[in-house]
Amino acid sequence: DAGVIQSPRHEVTEMGQEVTLRCKPISGHDYLFWYRQTMMRGLELLIYFNNNVPIDDSGMPEDRFSAKMPNASFSTLKIQPSEPRDSAVYFCASSTQDRVGGYTFGSGTRLTVV
Amino acid sequence: AQSVTQLDSQVPVFEEAPVELRCNYSSSVSVYLFWYVQYPNQGLQLLLKYLSGSTLVKGINGFEAEFNKSQTSFHLRKPSVHISDTAEYFCAVIPSGGYQKVTFGIGTKLQVIP
Repeated sequence: DAGVIQSPRHEVTEMGQEVTLRCKPISGHDYLFWYRQTMMRGLELLIYFNNNVPIDDSGMPEDRFSAKMPNASFSTLKIQPSEPRDSAVYFCASSTQDRVGGYTFGSGTRLTVV
Repeated sequence: AQSVTQLDSQVPVFEEAPVELRCNYSSSVSVYLFWYVQYPNQGLQLLLKYLSGSTLVKGINGFEAEFNKSQTSFHLRKPSVHISDTAEYFCAVIPSGGYQKVTFGIGTKLQVIP
């Protein structure tokens, strides 16, 4: 298995633009998570899905952020409009139902909003 | 609810010396425990896990951890560190029953000094 695949690896965008981050989880994993990592706040859980259904989005910072999972093999995190304070590394992770394997993380997308 | 405390934010250690990274947790139910490692510009990678059984668990790269239920600790150890072990290490906990979000510690930066 290729692991959790995220794209792009790096994204530089101007304030006000729409940004879309993409994630392909491991096949057979029932859960998908979106995290944000910054120096100031560490790892923050933004939202997670179970069988493509959003379960908890309480970590999404504001309405500018949205996430979808149209099928078991693809998820997107969208920021519209983007702001400089959204600059961070965004990770996608997936896990099985029983979680005994822990979470498998992607390599992340480093977002810079200028 | 669970909580995880990583007592040291940074740990400098000389190459070939032993190291212990401390992790304490709080939970009213039984838990699974994990250690993850994050190398620079990469995602988190599972290092080892405790699910049940033997309290001493071995992971990748020569690391091991010991689960101590009475002290609610899950400290990570390595008898002799290498330069390549320089990374950030995260302790994590999740209840063993039902499905809840994993709780991560704030991370400990291990710096191996040549």
